[in-house]
Amino acid sequence: GESVGLHLPTLSVQEGDNSIINCAYSNSASDYFIWYKQESGKGPQFIIDIRSNMDKRQGQRVTVLLNKTVKHLSLQIAATQPGDSAVYFCAEKDAGGTSYGKLTFGQGTILTVHP
Amino acid sequence: GAGVSQSPRYKVAKRGQDVALRCDPISGHVSLFWYQQALGQGPEFLTYFQNEAQLDKSGLPSDRFFAERPEGSVSTLKIQRTQQEDSAVYLCASSRKGLAGGVETQYFGPGTRLLVL
Repeated sequence: GESVGLHLPTLSVQEGDNSIINCAYSNSASDYFIWYKQESGKGPQFIIDIRSNMDKRQGQRVTVLLNKTVKHLSLQIAATQPGDSAVYFCAEKDAGGTSYGKLTFGQGTILTVHP
Repeated sequence: GAGVSQSPRYKVAKRGQDVALRCDPISGHVSLFWYQQALGQGPEFLTYFQNEAQLDKSGLPSDRFFAERPEGSVSTLKIQRTQQEDSAVYLCASSRKGLAGGVETQYFGPGTRLLVL
């Protein structure tokens, strides 16, 4: 596929707004999906996950929606705060027996929250 | 509790030099993964260990890359004869269970940023 390079999608919101970050995945055999948050100079931090037998899962201030028909995943962040500013990655795991749990990451979205 | 740690955090190498990157997973975690993250990209899988066994090395880009986990805890990723295209952040992740335990959350370390000049 096309390399995104430095041109990551960006989302800019005001503090207190709700944010929605989208991700399209390509592998219909994936059975587990995760959202990670990555701040500058740090490793990815787990936010929330969802298995393929579910279409919605809620956490604290976050909700993940999974639409397997169109292979789409979204992360909703309620009442976004400046500390939520980071790059957000979706990741998927192939259900195949030889996948060994390895994750395939999407391209990432830069979220900027303005006070 | 202590998370995944990696060292060094930054490494500058001259082209052709060998480097070794260390990962200390969360204590007791069975599974260990290495990923490579280029600037502006998501992490890409390199290799997987279940305890000391390297079960998947399909993501290693060339035979210059070698990883080991001899006692099933600390892991080392070695890159021989480094090239400029090896410049990236190398991330280590661990999870509690092995394959038979089903899907598990992977916890990532801070990464080692490698720059090859």
